Amino acid sequence: DVKVTQSSRYLVKRTGEKVFLECVQDMDHENMFWYRQDPGLGLRLIYFSYDVKMKEKGDIPEGYSVSREKKERFSLILESASTNQTSMYLCASSEPNREKLFFGSGTQLSVL
Amino acid sequence: AQSVTQLDSQVPVFEEAPVELRCNYSSSVSVYLFWYVQYPNQGLQLLLKYLSGSTLVESINGFEAEFNKSQTSFHLRKPSVHISDTAEYFCAVINTGFQKLVFGTGTRLLVSP
Repeated sequence: DVKVTQSSRYLVKRTGEKVFLECVQDMDHENMFWYRQDPGLGLRLIYFSYDVKMKEKGDIPEGYSVSREKKERFSLILESASTNQTSMYLCASSEPNREKLFFGSGTQLSVL
Repeated sequence: AQSVTQLDSQVPVFEEAPVELRCNYSSSVSVYLFWYVQYPNQGLQLLLKYLSGSTLVESINGFEAEFNKSQTSFHLRKPSVHISDTAEYFCAVINTGFQKLVFGTGTRLLVSP
């Protein structure tokens, strides 16, 4: 089975801190995604990557950046965390056809 | 562009009762449709999908969904729910070029004894 691992289940950070969320997948998938999940808003795409060093903005990229130096690892970076970035962050991976996304268990980030 | 509407944010139901979770989509092009499920404290996992062929698709745990092109719907049904079906269910749509997967806002299914 595909495994998508997110490094932290819970994270508490202070306003203005630089925050790194890490995601690793073990199935050699080309596509990787970062979503944030908020009650009543569902999943919103922040960034995705379709290859190493390739990235594209999703629907809500403001305040975020990403890094994909290796195929299996996709990092989400909050350059200067703000309270409105308190959320559940979900990483996912898929093959190019996106017929099936495999999700990590999420990181609940609280920015105080 | 595609969009997905899940009108019910929460659906309470008693164990062994039938349930229907509604999903309507909007798109100017042909689409594929998905239901994902998120159990408490877990990520999402694919429950079932419609790509082509029979408009009625089934999951291994008794859920089914029917693609209705004329009503632009893909409702999820189960004839008899279990406590373990308590979860949040997300409908999703992608165009047939697999360019962008769009999720609905989710429906929380609460099954009580």
